[in-house]
Amino acid sequence: DTAVSQTPKYLVTQMGNDKSIKCEQNLGHDTMYWYKQDSKKFLKIMFSYNNKELIINETVPNRFSPKSPDKAHLNLHINSLELGDSAVYFCASSSGRNTEAFFGQGTRLTVV
Amino acid sequence: GNSVTQMEGPVTLSEEAFLTINCTYTATGYPSLFWYVQYPGEGLQLLLKATKADDKGSNKGFEATYRKETTSFHLEKGSVQVSDSAVYFCALSPAGNQFYFGTGTSLTVIP
Repeated sequence: DTAVSQTPKYLVTQMGNDKSIKCEQNLGHDTMYWYKQDSKKFLKIMFSYNNKELIINETVPNRFSPKSPDKAHLNLHINSLELGDSAVYFCASSSGRNTEAFFGQGTRLTVV
Repeated sequence: GNSVTQMEGPVTLSEEAFLTINCTYTATGYPSLFWYVQYPGEGLQLLLKATKADDKGSNKGFEATYRKETTSFHLEKGSVQVSDSAVYFCALSPAGNQFYFGTGTSLTVIP
């Protein structure tokens, strides 16, 4: 069983389109995250949710909107995609102090 | 504030060489410290962790010791293999609900 699963794994789309990436975790964790990894492998936190409530919202364009329908899911919707949005997006989850974050396999988004 | 400074790469080593990847941190309170590994085309996997000062995390021949006095968590392995080629990330978590990552160090091991 995959602990943190993201779909799709690859996403190629044109500028200006709207797309969503889905994330589900079956670990029973309270906290879920979205990270963006650029071409130099730098990881930047975008959002963090705890029990469906937004707790971290870094400086991210408001074209990016997370949605957490329940504790096990955190989806990322992106409006009006731009070339600079091309990156690998990782979903992750964790549960409390002294525990690690578990990562999904990533979604490689390419905007053309 | 919280931050992680990691040795810049890329690092290229011959098989069976000794590996050290330096990591220092700045944190409020007493964070947990982690090393993650990312193989090509995959997500990040936990390699090892330490949750308090002087703890040593170890896994697959890799080790790192939580040094509060030097605010460091350097990754070491005595003899690297080609299969260790990956990107390594040092990270800290102050309270379990946020993680701060270093910039990653790319390691290539050549036969």
